[in-house]
Amino acid sequence: GEDVEQSLFLSVREGDSSVINCTYTDSSSTYLYWYKQEPGAGLQLLTYIFSNMDMKQDQRLTVLLNKKDKHLSLRIADTQTGDSAIYFCAERRGSARQLTFGSGTQLTVLP
Amino acid sequence: GAVVSQHPSRVICKSGTSVKIECRSLDFQATTMFWYRQFPKQSLMLMATSNEGSKATYEQGVEKDKFLINHASLTLSTLTVTSAHPEDSSFYICSASSNIGQGRTGSYNEQFFGPGTRLTVL
Repeated sequence: GEDVEQSLFLSVREGDSSVINCTYTDSSSTYLYWYKQEPGAGLQLLTYIFSNMDMKQDQRLTVLLNKKDKHLSLRIADTQTGDSAIYFCAERRGSARQLTFGSGTQLTVLP
Repeated sequence: GAVVSQHPSRVICKSGTSVKIECRSLDFQATTMFWYRQFPKQSLMLMATSNEGSKATYEQGVEKDKFLINHASLTLSTLTVTSAHPEDSSFYICSASSNIGQGRTGSYNEQFFGPGTRLTVL
């Protein structure tokens, strides 16, 4: 199966919170990342969390990490139409420089 | 954050021709560059990792003779798709990171992504 898994689609109403979930399998993950990709564009790093942290908050974004369950989530507060995009979680394992990406979650924000 | 550019952004070519895609780090020295391939509505698949001045390391299943990677300087890596075929049509994305000082990539060795190149082979 996939090393990093995400649900494919999420729809929310404008102003609501969005929660995008990600599970991974490798216990040697050192950093976990959330990237945003808008149509036809590259990836924009939104936030990251070190594996010894449980939570990280950055303005509207909150990242929660449950290392025991290997579960990562990204919460976007007060979701706006401009947040509509594909969101990828990614992990970096040990001292390796390369990233392993999830399949991406298409977030659609409805007016 | 640091800026990575790709050129061209879109290319359409005939089957059998070769296409070169450039990836440049504009304001930092990229000791490592990564090339990814992304199919429609799918994730990024790492193709190869290149370190400046040395041969690229290819992921399993990626043909190194078909996807030629050159990382001749700390600001430029190129991916050449040789004898392109329709099945090579895809979105190719590069990323760059640096281990020179703390700089922009800091201690978490962030990868900065280019905007991608859409390749269509007719």
